[in-house]
Amino acid sequence: DAKTTQPPSMDCAEGRAANLPCNHSTISGNEYVYWYRQIHSQGPQYIIHGLKNNETNEMASLIITEDRKSSTLILPHATLRDTAVYYCIVRLSSSNTGKLIFGQGTTLQVKP
Amino acid sequence: GAVVSQHPSWVICKSGTSVKIECRSLDFQATTMFWYRQFPKQSLMLMATSNEGSKATYEQGVEKDKFLINHASLTLSTLTVTSAHPEDSSFYICSARDPRGRGNYGYTFGSGTRLTVV
Repeated sequence: DAKTTQPPSMDCAEGRAANLPCNHSTISGNEYVYWYRQIHSQGPQYIIHGLKNNETNEMASLIITEDRKSSTLILPHATLRDTAVYYCIVRLSSSNTGKLIFGQGTTLQVKP
Repeated sequence: GAVVSQHPSWVICKSGTSVKIECRSLDFQATTMFWYRQFPKQSLMLMATSNEGSKATYEQGVEKDKFLINHASLTLSTLTVTSAHPEDSSFYICSARDPRGRGNYGYTFGSGTRLTVV
């Protein structure tokens, strides 16, 4: 699975949009981009995933560049409860037993 | 949605004893489960892949005789830390994949177990 690069930390003001970038320049054509987050001392929580097209759900939006070498997770209106470590992971969705390998992630601090 | 229950949420044990951690898929059958370890201020590190009815596959550097994994049924995997030492103190997290794919393509995580060896 391709490697991802994320900034170690970011701050965001409460109520504003949080934009978390991820570089995955070695991504292959059949690999998906997944985003998870981990709130302190809890298990990771799924946020969103995508292949080529931009995706949106009730939690966030995922913007994937046309060359697929990078993506951005957008939390449209960040709240204090969104403070967490956000992980961008690239893997084959079709793999039935494929494992998720976590990088260092981005620690997002939402401030009042 | 898919739910994974992990028990206990925290445990304190004496050095040299063994500790068992359970991971259960509550509303789906999981042929594959994953065990992770996380030290303070670090990312999750995959320890092993637990396969129902067969031996677990361990990641490089993980001692299989120290971290015993049993996946005897489609809803339960256990991780036993044998002869625990203080350096084994960590946050252990399991994950199970719902083969039905669900909206998140199956990866659901337990809430983790905080192990402290004294």
